[in-house]
Amino acid sequence: DAGVIQSPRHEVTEMGQEVTLRCKPISGHDYLFWYRQTMMRGLELLIYFNNNVPIDDSGMPEDRFSAKMPNASFSTLKIQPSEPRDSAVYFCASSSGQGWMNTEAFFGQGTRLTVV
Amino acid sequence: AQSVTQPDIHITVSEGASLELRCNYSYGATPYLFWYVQSPGQGLQLLLKYFSGDTLVQGIKGFEAEFKRSQSSFNLRKPSVHWSDAAEYFCAVGLFGNEKLTFGTGTRLTIIP
Repeated sequence: DAGVIQSPRHEVTEMGQEVTLRCKPISGHDYLFWYRQTMMRGLELLIYFNNNVPIDDSGMPEDRFSAKMPNASFSTLKIQPSEPRDSAVYFCASSSGQGWMNTEAFFGQGTRLTVV
Repeated sequence: AQSVTQPDIHITVSEGASLELRCNYSYGATPYLFWYVQSPGQGLQLLLKYFSGDTLVQGIKGFEAEFKRSQSSFNLRKPSVHWSDAAEYFCAVGLFGNEKLTFGTGTRLTIIP
């Protein structure tokens, strides 16, 4: 398996524009997580899905952020409209929930978002 | 609410020297503990994890960590660091039955010759 794949790797956009980040989890994994990493706040969980259903979105900062998982192999994180304070590295991770002892979250390489 | 503290933002160690990175947690129950490493421009990779049993756990790349319930700590150690160990290290905690992990703010490790 190629691991968790995120696209794009880098995104530069102007304030007010819509931004869509994409993630392909590892095949067979039934959990998918979106994290945001900033210097100030470290690594924060934004939302996670189980079997394509959002379970906990309490970390989503505002209504400008939305996430979807239309199928087991694809998820998006959308920011509309984007603001400079959204600049961060966004990570997607997936894991198999087949028993806690086997749980390990595998991370993608991240998308570095810059909003100017 | 649960929390994870990594008191050291940045540590510099000479190559070949020993290393200890600190992690303290605050949880109502016994947590499940993880250490991840992030190399520049990369995602996070799991180094080791503790669920139960022996409180000293071995991980990849020669790392180990010790769970000390009395100190609410899970410190990461390595007896002799290599230049390739330069990276950012994250401690994380989770609870049984909950897939959500809470991460510390990370410790950046610099290795000097």
